[in-house]
Amino acid sequence: DAGITQSPRHKVTETGTPVTLRCHQTENHRYMYWYRQDPGHGLRLIHYSYGVKDTDKGEVSDGYSVSRSKTEDFLLTLESATSSQTSVYFCAITAGPGPGELFFGEGSRLTVL
Amino acid sequence: AQSVTQLGSHVSVSEGALVLLRCNYSSSVPPYLFWYVQYPNQGLQLLLKYTTGATLVKGINGFEAEFKKSETSFHLTKPSAHMSDAAEYFCAVSRDGGATNKLIFGTGTLLAVQP
Repeated sequence: DAGITQSPRHKVTETGTPVTLRCHQTENHRYMYWYRQDPGHGLRLIHYSYGVKDTDKGEVSDGYSVSRSKTEDFLLTLESATSSQTSVYFCAITAGPGPGELFFGEGSRLTVL
Repeated sequence: AQSVTQLGSHVSVSEGALVLLRCNYSSSVPPYLFWYVQYPNQGLQLLLKYTTGATLVKGINGFEAEFKKSETSFHLTKPSAHMSDAAEYFCAVSRDGGATNKLIFGTGTLLAVQP
């Protein structure tokens, strides 16, 4: 157990509504990541954080924003959800800058109707 | 730019048979390579990684992988499959030569183990 909790684990929402996914860690790790997993694409990095209030974009960041006001929490927000954002979202953490082991949460399954 | 290609989205083996999951990479810098495993309804967990040094890397659960620069490959093997090995396996390469943990993942190989 890597001490990562994602919430909600499942969510169904409608196109155009805002959605926030939360990643909470108890490890006090500096680095946190949001990935999305889609069939045929593997996992793709959305955003990552290298400290409180320090975030940067990954390869598929359009339509997503993040915030990190505390070490333990990393929030992913879809300002206006679209059907293309239907996916499984994984949070990951790691202690150092690289190349170490990523510890993943159990995922949040989001369906946008 | 870095990328990985996993050959075969589905692989089926019999219990006790050799497991071979293929991964080829492309990297403009010396690659840092990883294999992750995902069991149903769970997140990914690290099986093994290659950074520098010995090209044959041993991981958890009896898996190993060999870095072959000449073939740009990092195939995952296990001599004898167990039913518990049924899962999806992802090969990954570091986006920036290991400077960060930003990884590029392959599309995954689903391993089925038949009794």
